[in-house]
Amino acid sequence: SQTIHQWPATLVQPVGSPLSLECTVEGTSNPNLYWYRQAAGRGLQLLFYSVGIGQISSEVPQNLSASRPQDRQFILSSKKLLLSDSGFYLCAFAGSTNEKLFFGSGTQLSVL
Amino acid sequence: SQQGEEDPQALSIQEGENATMNCSYKTSINNLQWYRQNSGRGLVHLILIRSNEREKHSGRLRVTLDTSKKSSSLLITASRAADTASYFCATVFSGGYNKLIFGAGTRLAVHP
Repeated sequence: SQTIHQWPATLVQPVGSPLSLECTVEGTSNPNLYWYRQAAGRGLQLLFYSVGIGQISSEVPQNLSASRPQDRQFILSSKKLLLSDSGFYLCAFAGSTNEKLFFGSGTQLSVL
Repeated sequence: SQQGEEDPQALSIQEGENATMNCSYKTSINNLQWYRQNSGRGLVHLILIRSNEREKHSGRLRVTLDTSKKSSSLLITASRAADTASYFCATVFSGGYNKLIFGAGTRLAVHP
């Protein structure tokens, strides 16, 4: 069966520190992968999506970057975190029909 | 913005009552999806309705789509306390390359 793993669940980082959030998918090959961010009590903002290894599309200019070093691995990074990077980060992959998304459990990032 | 917008932002009802949430969007879509999010968790896909469909059912869920009005509604019948969550509509707009754009969500509270 298809599963998605996202870690860590919670992260507290000081301003200016680097960031690396990892997401891995099992049970499927060449999935479309997505990173979303959710501000408290708000909707989801699409940050990045990837249709294949090394292929990253950025939706909004920001302090973050994404990479896909392997088919089922998606990494969200920052060299220097800002206060405004705080939020709930969600990784997702598209199912076999490439329509509905399956989400990870999310990472609550607090930048202090 | 292509983003869907849910209405109301918050809804409070008693167990056994029906809950209706609405979603409006701005451009032509391929499909519209509804997701549920429990507090602090990832999103779970509920139902997908295609642009050529007008109504769809899944258990206690009923979704309608009116492409002429660019709107959709989600009805939860005979609500339960366990239905307490945020509900989001998401659209894949025509030519949107499988990018799912989410609205801000409706927070539903079902009281025992």
